[in-house]
Amino acid sequence: QVQLVESGGGLVKPGGSLRLSCAASGFSFSDYYMSWIRQAPGKGLEWVSYISSSVGSRFYADSVKGRFTISRDNAKKSLYLQMNSLRAEDTAVYYCVRIYGDYCDHWGQGTLVTVSS
Amino acid sequence: EIVLTQSPGTLSLSPGERATLSCRASQSVSSYLAWYQQKPGQAPRLLIYGASSRATGIPDRFSGSGSGTDFTLTISILEPEDFAVYFCQHYAASPPYSFGQGTKLEIK
Repeated sequence: QVQLVESGGGLVKPGGSLRLSCAASGFSFSDYYMSWIRQAPGKGLEWVSYISSSVGSRFYADSVKGRFTISRDNAKKSLYLQMNSLRAEDTAVYYCVRIYGDYCDHWGQGTLVTVSS
Repeated sequence: EIVLTQSPGTLSLSPGERATLSCRASQSVSSYLAWYQQKPGQAPRLLIYGASSRATGIPDRFSGSGSGTDFTLTISILEPEDFAVYFCQHYAASPPYSFGQGTKLEIK
């Protein structure tokens, strides 16, 4: 079955960096767009970034543009999110999500990123 | 950017009752709308896509309807496990594909 397992979250100081990873299994990873979606504590969902199956296109929310970089390694069936210049407002659970037809058909369990001094 | 507004913010019902949740888009999204369920401490789960198609494994007490700007998620007979937060999301045109702010379905 489809599994998405995130890792790399943790506590980081404002201005710091963090790299999230997502290990995919149970499906043909290279055939699917993938995305990172986040949820601040007690808040709603925000689409952070997505990447096409062949890495031909990427999208970033305005709130992270220029600071976050999404990438993937189809051979390793892995998705990444490099987060630089982190701010307090980036504090959230970050979900790795498989995209099918532009909707989110499978979600990982999430990894918590806390930005605080 | 398309804005989705969900109503009500909180819905208090009892098991066995019928739930009707609304999602309104600021401009037409055709039928490019999905619904998700999120329970405390868990990731969201896809319920409905294409406004009215149930995702794999979703019970038939869940149904979606609507097109254009007005959409409805109906739970015909509430089970105890259905009390959760529900989000709608559009995927029309190009990103960003925004989410609604959510409706909390709580036990009365």
